[in-house]
Amino acid sequence: SQKIEQNSEALNIQEGKTATLTCNYTNYSPAYLQWYRQDPGRGPVFLLLIRENEKEKRKERLKVTFDTTLKQSLFHITASQPADSATYLCALDDSGGYQKVTFGTGTKLQVIP
Amino acid sequence: NAGVTQTPKFRVLKTGQSMTLLCAQDMNHEYMYWYRQDPGMGLRLIHYSVGEGTTAKGEVPDGYNVSRLKKQNFLLGLESAAPSQTSVYFCASSPGQGINIQYFGAGTRLSVL
Repeated sequence: SQKIEQNSEALNIQEGKTATLTCNYTNYSPAYLQWYRQDPGRGPVFLLLIRENEKEKRKERLKVTFDTTLKQSLFHITASQPADSATYLCALDDSGGYQKVTFGTGTKLQVIP
Repeated sequence: NAGVTQTPKFRVLKTGQSMTLLCAQDMNHEYMYWYRQDPGMGLRLIHYSVGEGTTAKGEVPDGYNVSRLKKQNFLLGLESAAPSQTSVYFCASSPGQGINIQYFGAGTRLSVL
């Protein structure tokens, strides 16, 4: 069966360090993968999209990698700040009709001052 | 600059009562979605629509109905609420046509007693 796995345990890091979050998937052949940020009590907000033929994508302090052989995406936040504290979700398209995406359960990031 | 608007924001129902959640988007998006989010379960797709007058089942459709009579609105109905439907409900919209970036509303927190 299809599965998307994100580390369910919270990730605590010191301010200024690089946070790395992992998204692993099985039985998918996604054309692209997305990352979202969700703050408590709010809806997810789109951050970055990476296509299957792209190895890396950057946006300001954010970097996403996509390894279709390992079936894994890594999400990096460099020079992390307390304001980066949130839950981060990865999402994969439905490998066919592109009508919907499936979300992982998310990883909660806490940046400690 | 409203984006996706959900009403109501909070609701408490008694078992067996019915209600309708309204989602409105002002971005002229083709696709619209209803998700529920429960602790440890992530976002799960209930129903979705790829155009006015069309609807389709998602991962967890039982106990819910939807309608999309106008392109900008997507309604989620609970005919006979059950405690298992206590959750946070999110509506999202997407431009469609290939890349399915989701734009979310702020959510509706529903409690069924």
